[in-house]
Amino acid sequence: ELKVEQNPLFLSMQEGKNYTIYCNYSTTSDRLYWYRQDPGKSLESLFVLLSNGAVKQEGRLMASLDTKARLSTLHITAAVHDLSATYFCAVLRETSGSRLTFGEGTQLTVNP
Amino acid sequence: NAGVTQTPKFRILKIGQSMTLQCTQDMNHNYMYWYRQDPGMGLKLIYYSVGAGITDKGEVPNGYNVSRSTTEDFPLRLELAAPSQTSVYFCASATGRVGYTFGSGTRLTVV
Repeated sequence: ELKVEQNPLFLSMQEGKNYTIYCNYSTTSDRLYWYRQDPGKSLESLFVLLSNGAVKQEGRLMASLDTKARLSTLHITAAVHDLSATYFCAVLRETSGSRLTFGEGTQLTVNP
Repeated sequence: NAGVTQTPKFRILKIGQSMTLQCTQDMNHNYMYWYRQDPGMGLKLIYYSVGAGITDKGEVPNGYNVSRSTTEDFPLRLELAAPSQTSVYFCASATGRVGYTFGSGTRLTVV
């Protein structure tokens, strides 16, 4: 059974600081996704990582994937209040109907 | 394109009542999914479908049923609602290589 674990689950940080969210998964996967969710809203796709060593960046967020370690990271650079949200990683396995298995989410609060 | 449309957006059910959550997509995606999200948690897969006429159970299927008679529609049926089914329900669709498109969600409360 595929398990996806994120840490930390809660993160409170000051504006301007850097931090990393970690996503570990238990078996091989075909793709790894990062999503953002604002309170009461649906999920917004941030990144899809397809292969070992993949790195993608958008603004203050950068995601990377190490398939050998079964680890993905979401790095936040110089955080701003607008980044406050819950961030989910999710692992896709095409052999199982392209099902996504989600981590529990990291609730990020950026304080002024 | 509307993407993935879910109805209703909110619903309050009494224990033992039944209802159907509707999900429609207009992108001709083969794959469709139902997830539930409990407060402060990630999404858990209830049922999924890889094409019309084909459905399968996910992680938490008990208390739910689905059907997929067309490519566009994937309704989720709750029979004999229980308080444990209070949750936010998300429908999603995907092709084999394109990422998921999520609906806006249905917030269900069972009292």
